[in-house]
Amino acid sequence: ETGVTQSPTHLIKTRGQQVTLRCSSQSGHNTVSWYQQALGQGPQFIFQYYREEENGRGNFPPRFSGLQFPNYSSELNVNALELDDSALYLCASSPQTSGQETQYFGPGTRLLVL
Amino acid sequence: DQQVKQNSPSLSVQEGRISILNCDYTNSMFDYFLWYKKYPAEGPTFLISISSIKDKNEDGRFTVFLNKSAKHLSLHIVPSQPGDSAVYFCAGAISAGNMLTFGGGTRLMVKP
Repeated sequence: ETGVTQSPTHLIKTRGQQVTLRCSSQSGHNTVSWYQQALGQGPQFIFQYYREEENGRGNFPPRFSGLQFPNYSSELNVNALELDDSALYLCASSPQTSGQETQYFGPGTRLLVL
Repeated sequence: DQQVKQNSPSLSVQEGRISILNCDYTNSMFDYFLWYKKYPAEGPTFLISISSIKDKNEDGRFTVFLNKSAKHLSLHIVPSQPGDSAVYFCAGAISAGNMLTFGGGTRLMVKP
């Protein structure tokens, strides 16, 4: 039991639409990271937030954006959805952004773009 | 540019035997490595980690070995149990709290 929850569990959208995915981190974890896992592949880092500010970004376009709130919740927003955005989206939280802190994952949101 | 590779997409092992999962990396800046296990419809679950200053870390049935000169790590599970059947991902990080770079995963099947 990691204490990280995500909503919704599944979502179907149409190409060009916008989507917001939500994550509730474990209490006390002030760092949250988002990953995209395409079918048959490992998770790919999208970005990380630390104390409500973006703290690192992977190779994803600006239409992927995020927010982190003081209550340990966060959002991933994707604009102008494309078919290739269909994937499992995972959030992971950790106590702090530096040092050997393990990231703990939520169950993910499966997004299908038609 | 795959910085972390798991060259075996699947592995089948008999219950009670040893399972060895391998992982190769190219980024010399990685100083921390982690193994995660993933069941269907669940997020990855942390298993075990190792710092680059060590060459071995053990936790119960799970042992991770790191060979920095070969840029290779492996996860040993002894003895393997049917409940270990899952997809295993290795990941490297410059520090664990920062971006994790994952391999493509190895599906382990432990047969009773």
